[in-house]
Amino acid sequence: AQSVTQLGSHVSVSEGALVLLRCNYSSSVPPYLFWYVQYPNQGLQLLLKYTSAATLVKGINGFEAEFKKSETSFHLTKPSAHMSDAAEYFCAVTLSGGYQKVTFGTGTKLQVIP
Amino acid sequence: EAQVTQNPRYLITVTGKKLTVTCSQNMNHEYMSWYRQDPGLGLRQIYYSMNVEVTDKGDVPEGYKVSRKEKRNFPLILESPSPNQTSLYFCASSKGTGATNEKLFFGSGTQLSVL
Repeated sequence: AQSVTQLGSHVSVSEGALVLLRCNYSSSVPPYLFWYVQYPNQGLQLLLKYTSAATLVKGINGFEAEFKKSETSFHLTKPSAHMSDAAEYFCAVTLSGGYQKVTFGTGTKLQVIP
Repeated sequence: EAQVTQNPRYLITVTGKKLTVTCSQNMNHEYMSWYRQDPGLGLRQIYYSMNVEVTDKGDVPEGYKVSRKEKRNFPLILESPSPNQTSLYFCASSKGTGATNEKLFFGSGTQLSVL
């Protein structure tokens, strides 16, 4: 079984400040981890994914995430927030081994203050 | 353009009146899935399909049916909708059943209200 926990349902940052969105996972086998972003009135789109090739993963729009096995974490960061980053962000996990069961976290809404 | 198309975008119905939400993808994807999104609960999987005529339950299948007669289509059927099925629904697809690291492509969503 797998699960993800996103700490903080709402996060506010000032424009230009560091963005840090937290995700912790639980899985019995090596996981694949994803961050998706949902802009208002749209479906989800992939920001980045971890598939064991490299622990630091770079995604679109300047976001990156680091897989830390010892901390079972996959936090999403961006050095400098932009107004266009305001959206809801979802962490998700699947398990390696050929079974396409995706489990999503509860989401974190990011507000960017001018 | 590669896309997942859901219809309708908005739907208001009454308790007990059967409805179908359609989903179609043009990427020749094998895997398709339905999710519902509720505030504070994130996305929860309703049903998924590994290929034509192969479907299975997700985490919250009660009150829903699906079918996969063609590779491109994966409709969601509510035989007798109830108010607790008021939610935002998303269809998604991805390339392969064996590659669990494949990303999901999402439709734009269907906002359903059951009165």
